[in-house]
Amino acid sequence: RKEVEQDPGPFNVPEGATVAFNCTYSNSASQSFFWYRQDCRKEPKLLMSVYSSGNEDGRFTAQLNRASQYISLLIRDSKLSDSATYLCVVRGGGNKLTFGTGTQLKVEL
Amino acid sequence: DVKVTQSSRYLVKRTGEKVFLECVQDMDHENMFWYRQDPGLGLRLIYFSYDVKMKEKGDIPEGYSVSREKKERFSLILESASTNQTSMYLCASLGLARDTQYFGPGTRLTVL
Repeated sequence: RKEVEQDPGPFNVPEGATVAFNCTYSNSASQSFFWYRQDCRKEPKLLMSVYSSGNEDGRFTAQLNRASQYISLLIRDSKLSDSATYLCVVRGGGNKLTFGTGTQLKVEL
Repeated sequence: DVKVTQSSRYLVKRTGEKVFLECVQDMDHENMFWYRQDPGLGLRLIYFSYDVKMKEKGDIPEGYSVSREKKERFSLILESASTNQTSMYLCASLGLARDTQYFGPGTRLTVL
């Protein structure tokens, strides 16, 4: 079983749609959780951290369910500029991050 | 803003050549990482370093070595390049706050 699993997509959605991505992780001792965004042929960049209580940043909402070892990202009112690959990232002990393979989002007119 | 730079964006080498990939960060970060990214496999950690002259193997260290002689610079070395090392190589750094890894732009290496 992979340490971090994501549906690879692609998710093709119209502009304005709401889309949700899910991610599961296998290490119950994982301490920190993140969503990174990677544009085509670019490096990954932090989108947002994921906190136990859930957190929101504009149109983006992240949720963590420790009991089910599950992380989600919700994007409301999708924009063309949201088209990218979204990487679920988990930190266990120490400074090592484990990346999911990413979920590709394509927002269309 | 943190800046992580990598020596080359694109590199083409021949099988058996020794290859050096250089990474420099300007934020005095203690931790630096080398990943490779391949379609369907995501980012995989090759090596990381938490201090000068310190290194630890990641998940796929075979065929690679690293050097960290100065805090700001972390080098990845392919002793004898092979075609299965054709990939995108990404360097990252992380400060003590441990909240964000900052990535360089990547080096796309092709081994012929």
